Amino acid sequence: GAVVSQHPSWVICKSGTSVKIECRSLDFQATTMFWYRQFPKQSLMLMATSNEGSKATYEQGVEKDKFLINHASLTLSTLTVTSAHPEDSSFYICSAPGGETQYFGPGTRLLVL
Amino acid sequence: GESVGLHLPTLSVQEGDNSIINCAYSNSASDYFIWYKQESGKGPQFIIDIRSNMDKRQGQRVTVLLNKTVKHLSLQIAATQPGDSAVYFCAEMLDNYGQNFVFGPGTRLSVLP
Repeated sequence: GAVVSQHPSWVICKSGTSVKIECRSLDFQATTMFWYRQFPKQSLMLMATSNEGSKATYEQGVEKDKFLINHASLTLSTLTVTSAHPEDSSFYICSAPGGETQYFGPGTRLLVL
Repeated sequence: GESVGLHLPTLSVQEGDNSIINCAYSNSASDYFIWYKQESGKGPQFIIDIRSNMDKRQGQRVTVLLNKTVKHLSLQIAATQPGDSAVYFCAEMLDNYGQNFVFGPGTRLSVLP
């Protein structure tokens, strides 16, 4: 089946630094990818839709200047958390549609100290 | 789409018993539904899906039931095993392109020895 990878799987950073998370579709092309955030014991919350070759679409309440998304190719989307703060610590998951379903990446756990 | 962040309800089941996880969906026009399993620290994984023209679908040890009258979805796991311990999310697809999913809040299944 289709596989989506994320890198890194774990990242710890100091407050104020920026962190880039990559999401790759390994055996299929994805013109659209989705970025989610998940806090402990909560459901997935859609942050933004990444569109290849155009600007990302952000959900209400998600700061586009804080969470920079780049979808430069049909197999790669990146999410950059700029000037990260402890409240940005979370589990970030990407997904890509394949047929009628979504294929999820394994997630990236971010801890901001 | 967006999901609502809520603290997860928990279902505790004795090993070997059957589990039933319930989900209410919001849009009577939704055509396609998916159950995902998310183990701790990992991204969601597809379990089983069902279309709105069906009311039951069976997989290996899992059955999904759809009641469109009351907009209710359930996942039944037969002979629950320790490896079934995870958070289970239902998702409804709000469009026909596989790109607009709404996740339910999730249920944490704990399998007791």
